[in-house]
Amino acid sequence: EVQLVESGGGLVQPGGSLRLSCAASGFTFSSYSMNWVRQAPGKGLEWVSYISSSSSTIYYADSVKGRFTISRDNAKNSLYLQMNSLRAEDTAVYYCARDEVAAAGLDYWGQGTLVTVSS
Amino acid sequence: EIVLTQSPGTLSLSPGERATLSCRASQSVSSSYLAWYQQKPGQAPRLLIYGASSRATGIPDRFSGSGSGTDFTLTISRLEPEDFAVYYCQQYGSSALTFGGGTKVEIK
Repeated sequence: EVQLVESGGGLVQPGGSLRLSCAASGFTFSSYSMNWVRQAPGKGLEWVSYISSSSSTIYYADSVKGRFTISRDNAKNSLYLQMNSLRAEDTAVYYCARDEVAAAGLDYWGQGTLVTVSS
Repeated sequence: EIVLTQSPGTLSLSPGERATLSCRASQSVSSSYLAWYQQKPGQAPRLLIYGASSRATGIPDRFSGSGSGTDFTLTISRLEPEDFAVYYCQQYGSSALTFGGGTKVEIK
């Protein structure tokens, strides 16, 4: 069974940093591209970042470019999101999501981890 | 960046009725890269449709997708009680993914 489990969320002050993790199991993690998607309270979905299976290709949304860094460790079946210079508008539930082969949708999602940026 | 606009914002229907949701792109999108998701309160999104018209694994055949270019549609042929939720379209661009703002399907 495919499972994605996020961790690392919490309360952080504006300007602070946080590192999210996503532990993957039930599939060959190294064969799939992965994404982070967030959802602010009561709002819609916002894509945050993409990383290819080998980490050779990385993309970011303009809203986080220069502040967030996506990475992965295929040996540990883990995906990460390093978030620096956090702002109030980064407050959201952060989901990791598996990218189906050939960009055929995000077929598996974690349960999400809440990040709250507030003083 | 391609912008996806979903309409209507809210759709009020009764169980058994047909739901038609629209997703319009600001520029042409490859049909291969257009997906639809369902999200219920407190849950992660679930992939319904990929490639504009292919149902994901385990998705009932009352869900169907169609469209090309800039206009895409998700149709739910007969609404079941569990179908009342928020629906999002999503596309893959050259260096980014984007989601539409969502359509809420609520019980009338």
